[in-house]
Amino acid sequence: DTEVTQTPKHLVMGMTNKKSLKCEQHMGHRAMYWYKQKAKKPPELMFVYSYEKLSINESVPSRFSPECPNSSLLNLHLHALQPEDSALYLCASSQDRRRGNSPLHFGNGTRLTVT
Amino acid sequence: QKEVEQNSGPLSVPEGAIASLNCTYSDRGSQSFFWYRQYSGKSPELIMSIYSNGDKEDGRFTAQLNKASQYVSLLIRDSQPSDSATYLCAVNMDGNQGGKLIFGQGTELSVKP
Repeated sequence: DTEVTQTPKHLVMGMTNKKSLKCEQHMGHRAMYWYKQKAKKPPELMFVYSYEKLSINESVPSRFSPECPNSSLLNLHLHALQPEDSALYLCASSQDRRRGNSPLHFGNGTRLTVT
Repeated sequence: QKEVEQNSGPLSVPEGAIASLNCTYSDRGSQSFFWYRQYSGKSPELIMSIYSNGDKEDGRFTAQLNKASQYVSLLIRDSQPSDSATYLCAVNMDGNQGGKLIFGQGTELSVKP
């Protein structure tokens, strides 16, 4: 079992829906991340939060909107997605993003299907 | 463009053999290196981290780092069918890009009973 918890495990949504992915960690980590992974590909970074502030946005389309309400929680709000956005969405956390020896720990992911 | 390269495989080894997975990276300033294991349909799981030149052993796993050659490897001794998975090499960016892991494409390992 992972110490980073993601909900829901699976999500099917239409292109006009609004939904949110949730992530929670209780390891005291101060950096949290969203990654997207397509089949047979490595994870791709979307966003990085450090001390609850958005530090990195990898030019992600605005239909994906991240939110970090506090140091333990990370949300990803989804709106007007396209079928090609179907993927495994991974949340991760680390102690401090500026510390190189601070590995990322991934949650179990949310499998998203856009119809 | 900073890159991490791995052989995609699949790499097939018999049970009990040593599996050798290799990775090269382009950014000479990289300082932190990680190996993740990913089973099909699951999320990546950290299995090794290495920060200085040389070998680091943890159970059946040994990570090797050579910064001069920009090369990092993972050896799995006494391979088991349960080791069959995709292994992702990842390099951590420094400074303002800290926390931005650059992943290789992954090597698919198959351990045959």
